[in-house]
Amino acid sequence: EVQLVESGGGLILPGGSLRLSCAASGFAVSSNYMSWVRQAPGKGLEWVSIIYSSGTTYYADSVKGRFTISRDNSKNALYLQMNSLRAEDTAVYYCARGKSSNWYWEYWGQGTLVTVSS
Amino acid sequence: ETVMTQSPATLSVSPGERATLSCRASQSVSSNLAWYQQKPGQAPRVLMSGASTRAPDIPARFSGSGSGTEFTLTISSLQSEDFAVYYCQQYNNWPPTFGQGTKVEIK
Repeated sequence: EVQLVESGGGLILPGGSLRLSCAASGFAVSSNYMSWVRQAPGKGLEWVSIIYSSGTTYYADSVKGRFTISRDNSKNALYLQMNSLRAEDTAVYYCARGKSSNWYWEYWGQGTLVTVSS
Repeated sequence: ETVMTQSPATLSVSPGERATLSCRASQSVSSNLAWYQQKPGQAPRVLMSGASTRAPDIPARFSGSGSGTEFTLTISSLQSEDFAVYYCQQYNNWPPTFGQGTKVEIK
């Protein structure tokens, strides 16, 4: 059974850093397109970042230069390092697995809330 | 980027009735469109991909149609568990983008 479990969210001051983790089971993170998608409170969904099976990474313009996606194949885990956090980064962050080599997501974690506030 | 526009923002429907949700893309996305359902406090769940292919375990009362820039999600007979927010998402053009959502509420 495919499972994704995020952790690492919390309350952080503007300008601070946070690392989110996503523990995967039932499949290999290294063999799939893995993404982070976020949802601000009461708002819609926004794609944040993707890491391909090749290791190539891409980012939304809103987070480029501040966020870094990575994975640890030995732990079968996905990460999102978030630096220089802003109030507008406040959201639930979901880890999601892409369907085959497509940019849509068939499996999602339950999400972890990041609140950036002073 | 490709802007996805959903209408209406809110749809009030009685149980057993038909619901029709629309999604428009600012440029062609071919048939590379997915629909998601999201209930309060839950992660999104994919309903449809390729504009009209139901995901595993999705009931037949959900159907999708369209290509290019105009898409429709139809729920033929609304059940209580179908009241939720629905999002369309294109995966044809970079970056992948979502619509703002349509909330289907009980009339």
